[in-house]
Amino acid sequence: KQEVTQIPAALSVPEGENLVLNCSFTDSAIYNLQWFRQDPGKGLTSLLLIQSSQREQTSGRLNASLDKSSGRSTLYIAASQPGDSATYLCAVPSGSRLTFGEGTQLTVNP
Amino acid sequence: GAVVSQHPSWVICKSGTSVKIECRSLDFQATTMFWYRQFPKQSLMLMATSNEGSKATYEQGVEKDKFLINHASLTLSTLTVTSAHPEDSSFYICSARDPEGEFYNEQFFGPGTRLTVL
Repeated sequence: KQEVTQIPAALSVPEGENLVLNCSFTDSAIYNLQWFRQDPGKGLTSLLLIQSSQREQTSGRLNASLDKSSGRSTLYIAASQPGDSATYLCAVPSGSRLTFGEGTQLTVNP
Repeated sequence: GAVVSQHPSWVICKSGTSVKIECRSLDFQATTMFWYRQFPKQSLMLMATSNEGSKATYEQGVEKDKFLINHASLTLSTLTVTSAHPEDSSFYICSARDPEGEFYNEQFFGPGTRLTVL
């Protein structure tokens, strides 16, 4: 059974800092991995999807990496802003379903 | 990107009543939709997989007679919470997979429905 773990559970940083969120998964036989953002009381916004053949994906200030063999992914956020405050979730597919981590709650202080 | 909507965005009902939540894919046809439940401070838990024209597949521990799913068209799936009780209060989120999309198995999520049962 696939299990997804995210570290840290919560993170508070001052504005402008670069930061890294971690995601690990137990079954490395995945074909992609997704990072999502969730604002309080809202649905999910897809940030990045990395195919298993890729090592990283970039979108603006976000960079996600994937190391299948070690079962790890990181989400790097550069020059963080208060608007980045949200919960960040990673998810991996198991067949047609997605298995989510518990999320990292990020607070960026002005 | 593909857009998924949910209706209503929030609902308050009395204990014992039934509530229907709709999930629509607006600009693509989804043969498969997924229903998730999220309790406060927790992650999403898959409840069931909804397949157009066939019965839904429920996850272990999810009562199929309590959470009725109907996927009658390629753009609409409904979740009906029957005889709702306060413990059913939660945030319900649906997602849909675009079979013609750029990435295989990428799911697009709706904005969620907040259900409060009094």
